[in-house]
Amino acid sequence: AQSVTQPDIHITVSEGASLELRCNYSYGATPYLFWYVQSPGQGLQLLLKYFSGDTLVQGIKGFEAEFKRSQSSFNLRKPSVHWSDAAEYFCAVVRPTGANNLFFGTGTRLTVIP
Amino acid sequence: DAGVIQSPRHEVTEMGQEVTLRCKPISGHNSLFWYRQTMMRGLELLIYFNNNVPIDDSGMPEDRFSAKMPNASFSTLKIQPSEPRDSAVYFCASQKGGARGFFGVNEQFFGPGTRLTVL
Repeated sequence: AQSVTQPDIHITVSEGASLELRCNYSYGATPYLFWYVQSPGQGLQLLLKYFSGDTLVQGIKGFEAEFKRSQSSFNLRKPSVHWSDAAEYFCAVVRPTGANNLFFGTGTRLTVIP
Repeated sequence: DAGVIQSPRHEVTEMGQEVTLRCKPISGHNSLFWYRQTMMRGLELLIYFNNNVPIDDSGMPEDRFSAKMPNASFSTLKIQPSEPRDSAVYFCASQKGGARGFFGVNEQFFGPGTRLTVL
């Protein structure tokens, strides 16, 4: 079945440490890929997106993500986490053909400890 | 621009009552999406409109749910009658054009959500 998987439900990191959040997709062709962040009580904000070209994508707030076709992955990274990065992170796709809507992963909750 | 506006932000109602959620998309955006977020099912699409026309409503859980978009600047999601299992956060999002723009993929902009509690 076509799906988006975020294998980590909850991750805890220390402030200043590096971060990597995992995302895998299972589509025959490369979908359009997104990472959204949701702060408590807030809506979703786009961090970055990928549809073609350079496989390393830079986003807002110092985040980046790398598309790896061979691994069907689009992992989100940040070299040094700040306390304000504590939030829920969602990987999402738009399928390469067909409907325009986003399909979301189940999310990864990030806790940042001092 | 004020972004996507949703009202109310919080709604508490009793089982059996009618609930109406409202959304004002970003001006100039011609696609509108309603999503529901629950702990059990995560974020899921309910329905989306393009140029005020419903394109895909396969995510609408049952006949108790209905959505309208009478014009480009307003949409409603109605639940009648409401049930406790409808308790969730409902998000509206808007997008300029379709998902696939000339220069790539267009971003969906999300509203702050409406937290619905049905007692």
